[in-house]
Amino acid sequence: GENVEQHPSTLSVQEGDSAVIKCTYSDSASNYFPWYKQELGKRPQLIIDIRSNVGEKKDQRIAVTLNKTAKHFSLHITETQPEDSAVYFCAASSNNAGNMLTFGGGTRLMVKP
Amino acid sequence: DTAVSQTPKYLVTQMGNDKSIKCEQNLGHDTMYWYKQDSKKFLKIMFSYNNKELIINETVPNRFSPKSPDKAHLNLHINSLELGDSAVYFCASSQGVGLPSYNEQFFGPGTRLTVL
Repeated sequence: GENVEQHPSTLSVQEGDSAVIKCTYSDSASNYFPWYKQELGKRPQLIIDIRSNVGEKKDQRIAVTLNKTAKHFSLHITETQPEDSAVYFCAASSNNAGNMLTFGGGTRLMVKP
Repeated sequence: DTAVSQTPKYLVTQMGNDKSIKCEQNLGHDTMYWYKQDSKKFLKIMFSYNNKELIINETVPNRFSPKSPDKAHLNLHINSLELGDSAVYFCASSQGVGLPSYNEQFFGPGTRLTVL
């Protein structure tokens, strides 16, 4: 089955700096890579996703890159703000596995004002 | 206008009991899921279900069973609860399977299960 590794597990940045979270996956059949943000006590919420036919996608301060050959993808947050503080999860899925998401272990991002 | 809802929000019960968690989605989606989030925040898929196919994560004990009375509902039944079942359980739904546009999953608010 799919295995997703995520690094770092914690990340502390100053407000205004950039944050980068990296993930690797094992199943070459995976074709969908979402990123979720989870605030304390809340549900995971999709913030951006990328499919395997695209190498990069950007939405305002958030961007995701995908390297299919190396089987890794990354989340980039620019101009971080205190409200970006949360746990971020990467995930991977393939149509072969009923679209079930395999999640990385999560990154706790702390943005210091 | 809640998209994916779960009840109850909190569930405290004794070891050995049988309990159910309900999930409903009003998005018209065809596929629903159950995830478990443990105390270390690891999120793990348990089941994927649409009206044609149930896919079970092989690591899920058979004490856990999903039951779908209709397309909008996927309930989770747990028999003979154990201490290690304590976790937050999230239901999710997506439009379907197969096409890339169907991948996006919407999560419910979660049910915090505590087994004493």
